[in-house]
Amino acid sequence: ETGVTQTPRHLVMGMTNKKSLKCEQHLGHNAMYWYKQSAKKPLELMFVYNFKEQTENNSVPSRFSPECPNSSHLFLHLHTLQPEDSALYLCASSQDFTETQYFGPGTRLLVL
Amino acid sequence: AQSVAQPEDQVNVAEGNPLTVKCTYSVSGNPYLFWYVQYPNRGLQFLLKYITGDNLVKGSYGFEAEFNKSQTSFHLKKPSALVSDSALYFCAVRDMDSNYQLIWGAGTKLIIKP
Repeated sequence: ETGVTQTPRHLVMGMTNKKSLKCEQHLGHNAMYWYKQSAKKPLELMFVYNFKEQTENNSVPSRFSPECPNSSHLFLHLHTLQPEDSALYLCASSQDFTETQYFGPGTRLLVL
Repeated sequence: AQSVAQPEDQVNVAEGNPLTVKCTYSVSGNPYLFWYVQYPNRGLQFLLKYITGDNLVKGSYGFEAEFNKSQTSFHLKKPSALVSDSALYFCAVRDMDSNYQLIWGAGTKLIIKP
């Protein structure tokens, strides 16, 4: 998948660790998103960036901290997570808010 | 309130038979509707979307979906199922008149049996 890439693909961390998820899009898009996917639940939108500016924060706990240094890169910094934060974290991008979103493969996170 | 419902957690179809994955929605304005597919250990892949125009939308891998405004439905269909169609399917809606956020269904697991 060369459109939207995510690293790492798998991550195991303790509750006191600090880690970061990385997303990169090669599509020339201007909007980027972080989603949380838990089993048998709808995707939960966490953060939205448009032209590097955060435009949405859907009541996400402060232990999740996003960073968007440019329109092609998006990070999700993690610290003092809880076991219930274990999930698949998906990054997506789109040309703008109204256009189709394209997803990366996700990072499978396990918090012990 | 805006919402999307995928009433079936799982759909089982024999290979070669037609398949339907159901989706109903509720928005206050005009809807943008989407279908995505997720294969194991993969991200979501865009299949098709309805914005306006013809109610029958054709997408990737032989899938199509029919927009029915009166029934507020957007069911995904394929005339002849393949084993490789087995995956998780998500319906999503955006209210064109209020905001840009996608509202997602919980997903339907499609199992195609040989």
